[in-house]
Amino acid sequence: GENVEQHPSTLSVQEGDSAVIKCTYSDSASNYFPWYKQELGKGPQLIIDIRSNVGEKKDQRIAVTLNKTAKHFSLHITETQPEDSAVYFCAARGNNNDMRFGAGTRLTVKP
Amino acid sequence: GAGVSQSPRYKVAKRGQDVALRCDPISGHVSLFWYQQALGQGPEFLTYFQNEAQLDKSGLPSDRFFAERPEGSVSTLKIQRTQQEDSAVYLCASSLRPGYSSYEQYFGPGTRLTVT
Repeated sequence: GENVEQHPSTLSVQEGDSAVIKCTYSDSASNYFPWYKQELGKGPQLIIDIRSNVGEKKDQRIAVTLNKTAKHFSLHITETQPEDSAVYFCAARGNNNDMRFGAGTRLTVKP
Repeated sequence: GAGVSQSPRYKVAKRGQDVALRCDPISGHVSLFWYQQALGQGPEFLTYFQNEAQLDKSGLPSDRFFAERPEGSVSTLKIQRTQQEDSAVYLCASSLRPGYSSYEQYFGPGTRLTVT
């Protein structure tokens, strides 16, 4: 089955800097790669996603890139703000209902 | 409300007790998923419903775990004879379309279960 690895586990940046979180996956059949933001005491919130027929997607300060050959995808947050502080999860889903999540990255943006 | 809701938000159970966790998905969403999230980890898939049909229960960790969605909307996850290792946050997510065409999943706030 699918195995998703996420790095780093913790990331601390200064306000205004960029943050990058990377994930690798094992199942070449995976075709959907969402990123979720989870704040304390809340459920994961979908922030951006990418499908396997696209290499890059951007939404304001957030972008995701996908390299299907290398089986890795990354989340890029530019001009970080304190409210970006949260735990971020990547996930991968193939042609089944089982979406596998990474272990999460705790992002801290220092003002 | 427009989002997925779950109740109770917190549940403390003594080892051996049965618990029932409720999920109200977004209205009209065909797909419903249950996940278990251990402390400091990502969510792990438990089971999937398409309307009232439970199409995938491969992630349920034991036969003490049972889920149902009898009318294709509200779902209940039941855990019998709870054990300490069942302590986790149980997340429910719903998605508009069925099966393989379903992509975006919207999560509820979760139920934090603590077994003492």
